[in-house]
Amino acid sequence: EAGVAQSPRYKIIEKRQSVAFWCNPISGHATLYWYQQILGQGPKLLIQFQNNGVVDDSQLPKDRFSAERLKGVDSTLKIQPAKLEDSAVYLCASSQGGGWETQYFGPGTRLLVL
Amino acid sequence: AQKVTQAQTEISVVEKEDVTLDCVYETRDTTYYLFWYKQPPSGELVFLIRRNSFDEQNEISGRYSWNFQKSTSSFNFTITASQVVDSAVYFCALSEPGDTGFQKLVFGTGTRLLVSP
Repeated sequence: EAGVAQSPRYKIIEKRQSVAFWCNPISGHATLYWYQQILGQGPKLLIQFQNNGVVDDSQLPKDRFSAERLKGVDSTLKIQPAKLEDSAVYLCASSQGGGWETQYFGPGTRLLVL
Repeated sequence: AQKVTQAQTEISVVEKEDVTLDCVYETRDTTYYLFWYKQPPSGELVFLIRRNSFDEQNEISGRYSWNFQKSTSSFNFTITASQVVDSAVYFCALSEPGDTGFQKLVFGTGTRLLVSP
């Protein structure tokens, strides 16, 4: 079974530019998550989708971050405009349901904002 | 208040030594789940174990074992006869209801394990 796919793996941009990350979850997984992991810290949830609806975006900086999961499968996370403090690894995860199910993570996208 | 505390920032051992990674959590819920994930240098978080709050039985999987103590709110992870390939950052996580009612995974800050030959 294929795992969670993410692209790109690395991205370097200058501040105020925009960037987008893509995630394809494990087939059949209804719930998709985006996390931000700053160096030396644990992952922090940005947004959670159940199928194509948002169920938790309380920690998403909505003035610059947006995410969508239009057909309930793959998802895109966008940052516009980027700030220096957005430098982090962006992890996508998926689970079969949104309850106590185990979340499986992709390899992440490492973003550096200069 | 910090929900998941991993007080050990970094641990260094020599191959074949046993090592225990500590995890202390805080929750007011009676139903919750605890997880351990491994993050090797490649960056991907690898699932190791999930344990629910009603199952305090210790678990062993090969060289890995977990000790869940509800009385002390701890869920410690022991690697027996460590190997160089065990070098990674290990995260403990707690799943509990978020503000929306859906489950939310809260991670500790991780413990970096360095196993030298």
